[in-house]
Amino acid sequence: AQSVTQPDIHITVSEGASLELRCNYSYGATPYLFWYVQSPGQGLQLLLKYFSGDTLVQGIKGFEAEFKRSQSSFNLRKPSVHWSDAAEYFCAVGSMEYGNKLVFGAGTILRVKS
Amino acid sequence: GAVVSQHPSRVICKSGTSVKIECRSLDFQATTMFWYRQFPKQSLMLMATSNEGSKATYEQGVEKDKFLINHASLTLSTLTVTSAHPEDSSFYICSARFGGLSAEAFFGQGTRLTVV
Repeated sequence: AQSVTQPDIHITVSEGASLELRCNYSYGATPYLFWYVQSPGQGLQLLLKYFSGDTLVQGIKGFEAEFKRSQSSFNLRKPSVHWSDAAEYFCAVGSMEYGNKLVFGAGTILRVKS
Repeated sequence: GAVVSQHPSRVICKSGTSVKIECRSLDFQATTMFWYRQFPKQSLMLMATSNEGSKATYEQGVEKDKFLINHASLTLSTLTVTSAHPEDSSFYICSARFGGLSAEAFFGQGTRLTVV
């Protein structure tokens, strides 16, 4: 069965510091990978996605993520965090093998300290 | 980006009553809509997938007679929680997409249901 693991429930970083949020997946087929951000009172917003091609993908708000098939990982990174990045981040995975649906990780809450 | 409107944002109902939640895609036609349930400090759990004009496909363990899903048009899907009980209290989120897995899915703001 498909599964997504975000090992960090909470992460706190200082404003201006770099950020990496981890995501590991368990899939039998070629995955479609996504990162979403959820701010309080708002719907999930897509940051970036990977289907094929270059394994380093760029997203909105200065985020990027790298697909590493050998590690079954799709970690999200940002070189310099802004206070407005404080939110909850979800990694999601889909596969044609499992239908047109996404499986979400448990989420990582990012806190930014000034 | 596209907008998905979910209504109401909060609802409180008495045990035994039914509650309807609407999900509308405002500026695009959604061939597929998804309904999720999110428990505190947990992930989004997919409840069902609905395609316009056809019956919803429910995930294992989700009672289709309790959670009625209707996708009558390309811009509207509804979730009705029938005979609600306190354990149905949760955060319900809809998502809409035009196309397959590679297409972007847009999410509503969610509905906080409290059953008293």
